[in-house]
Amino acid sequence: AQSVSQHNHHVILSEAASLELGCNYSYGGTVNLFWYVQYPGQHLQLLLKYFSGDPLVKGIKGFEAEFIKSKFSFNLRKPSVQWSDTAEYFCAASSASKIIFGSGTRLSIRP
Amino acid sequence: NAGVTQTPKFRVLKTGQSMTLLCAQDMNHEYMYWYRQDPGMGLRLIHYSVGEGTTAKGEVPDGYNVSRLKKQNFLLGLESAAPSQTSVYFCASPTSTGELFFGEGSRLTVL
Repeated sequence: AQSVSQHNHHVILSEAASLELGCNYSYGGTVNLFWYVQYPGQHLQLLLKYFSGDPLVKGIKGFEAEFIKSKFSFNLRKPSVQWSDTAEYFCAASSASKIIFGSGTRLSIRP
Repeated sequence: NAGVTQTPKFRVLKTGQSMTLLCAQDMNHEYMYWYRQDPGMGLRLIHYSVGEGTTAKGEVPDGYNVSRLKKQNFLLGLESAAPSQTSVYFCASPTSTGELFFGEGSRLTVL
């Protein structure tokens, strides 16, 4: 069955620390991958996406993600987090007509 | 503002009551999705539609029905609401590049 796994449920970092959030997917065939962010009280917004080509994808607000096909992973990174990055982050995968999300990672940033 | 509109935004039901959530999009998109969001579980796909007159089951379809009589509207129905259906419901529609546009969410409480 298709699935997306995010193993970090809650991550707490200090400002300026580096961030890496894990995402693994289980899909047969071609898959497109996404990271979305949800700020408190808001709906999801797209951070970045991978369809094909360069496996290192850059998104908005300094975020990037690397697609590693052999590991079925699409981890999200940011070199230096800010307090305003406090949010919930969701990895998603689409194949054919279905788009499936991971369970999310809550990121808390200490000022 | 163009995009995805959900109504109602808040609703309280008693167990056994029925209701319908309406999702309307004005972007002429073919695909539309209904998700529910619960703490620690991310977004789970309830039902989706790949075009007018079509519907398909997602990850958690039990207890819900949907209809897509018009391309711009995707209705989610609860025939007999249960407390387990207390959740925030999001409608979403993808662009041709796969980015999901979300509605603002509908918070449903079943007592």
